[in-house]
Amino acid sequence: DGGITQSPKYLFRKEGQNVTLSCEQNLNHDAMYWYRQDPGQGLRLIYYSQIVNDFQKGDIAEGYSVSREKKESFPLTVTSAQKNPTAFYLCASTGTGQNTGELFFGEGSRLTVL
Amino acid sequence: AQSVTQLGSHVSVSEGALVLLRCNYSSSVPPYLFWYVQYPNQGLQLLLKYTSAATLVKGINGFEAEFKKSETSFHLTKPSAHMSDAAEYFCAVSYPSGGYNKLIFGAGTRLAVHP
Repeated sequence: DGGITQSPKYLFRKEGQNVTLSCEQNLNHDAMYWYRQDPGQGLRLIYYSQIVNDFQKGDIAEGYSVSREKKESFPLTVTSAQKNPTAFYLCASTGTGQNTGELFFGEGSRLTVL
Repeated sequence: AQSVTQLGSHVSVSEGALVLLRCNYSSSVPPYLFWYVQYPNQGLQLLLKYTSAATLVKGINGFEAEFKKSETSFHLTKPSAHMSDAAEYFCAVSYPSGGYNKLIFGAGTRLAVHP
């Protein structure tokens, strides 16, 4: 079945360590997104990519980095510069040709900094 | 700045009662509007969307929403709540300036359904 796979589902990190969250999609979607979710704040956009080898900062990009070397993959690195990284991270995708804004989401990755 | 406001971070209803979750947006430009549902520790699933066609939109699981331009609202309703409706609900908007593919989300409303 087509969909978005995020891994790992749960991740623990010590302060000062970088971690990378994986996001893979087999929907043949051009655009991919990373959102951060905190209780009571909804979803905030970290980075998005509308095409391979190109990506843009969202509203809260500081302390994060991404790459888009393949259409199917959009990994997110949470760097040690991110001051409060404990959160639930959601990856999403959509087909840019549709222009409807409907996003398809992965199951999420919960990062906890110890 | 464009934004989405969901009134009420928590809503509690009895099983069988009407569900009403409120969403207002701030923009003079007609947006596309969405309602998503999230179950614990899962991603978001689309309930319904408005993309400038009929103003009353029907979605999955018996939910519907009505776009009211004069009130800049897109409230979500369901005539009779079921225990399985307990979840968090997010309203979202997108605009032409973002190619309609960059969504802005509200803070969410957690719906509790009690027997």
